[in-house]
Amino acid sequence: DQQVKQNSPSLSVQEGRISILNCDYTNSMFDYFLWYKKYPAEGPTFLISISSIKDKNEDGRFTVFLNKSAKHLSLHIVPSQPGDSAVYFCAARTAGNKLTFGGGTRVLVKP
Amino acid sequence: DAGITQSPRHKVTETGTPVTLRCHQTENHRYMYWYRQDPGHGLRLIHYSYGVKDTDKGEVSDGYSVSRSKTEDFLLTLESATSSQTSVYFCAISESMVAGVGTQYFGPGTRLLVL
Repeated sequence: DQQVKQNSPSLSVQEGRISILNCDYTNSMFDYFLWYKKYPAEGPTFLISISSIKDKNEDGRFTVFLNKSAKHLSLHIVPSQPGDSAVYFCAARTAGNKLTFGGGTRVLVKP
Repeated sequence: DAGITQSPRHKVTETGTPVTLRCHQTENHRYMYWYRQDPGHGLRLIHYSYGVKDTDKGEVSDGYSVSRSKTEDFLLTLESATSSQTSVYFCAISESMVAGVGTQYFGPGTRLLVL
């Protein structure tokens, strides 16, 4: 049973508009959440993270929101750029620094 | 980028043969991890290490073993490869187990095909 789910396998957005990626989790023991971005034939690269005691973290064009009561987090990318086209993975951390990943969302930003 | 290399980058092997994948880091990080990536599953943790000679199992450890004799190297071995182990394998490192400081950074991956 997947503890971290990304229910949208793909997302298409126009350049300059907002991209919103969603992630749901079931395990209340997750204490930290991360987003990774992955280009083809490369390893995932760390994008942004948020502690379970926060509800928002912002870094440039990227903002992560956490709704702990709903066990839901989202990543907002504003404005979206063609270079943002990639697969995005949501990950959740448990004790021992072990990560559980969602299945990923493929984002296509159209010029 | 974190100094992480993986070798080989691509490998084709036959069912029943042993395979060893290598992860090498130049960051002197204590913690290292092996993941596999499969469609629809994201990345899943196979094994991890919290120091030289200290390893533990992850979510999908069956059929895999690991060794860490030096800080910089973490080896993943498939004792007898099966077609279900066809996947892309990623190594990751972190300098801490503390949230935030313990962010994991990934290598470029090894694509393994078991025929």
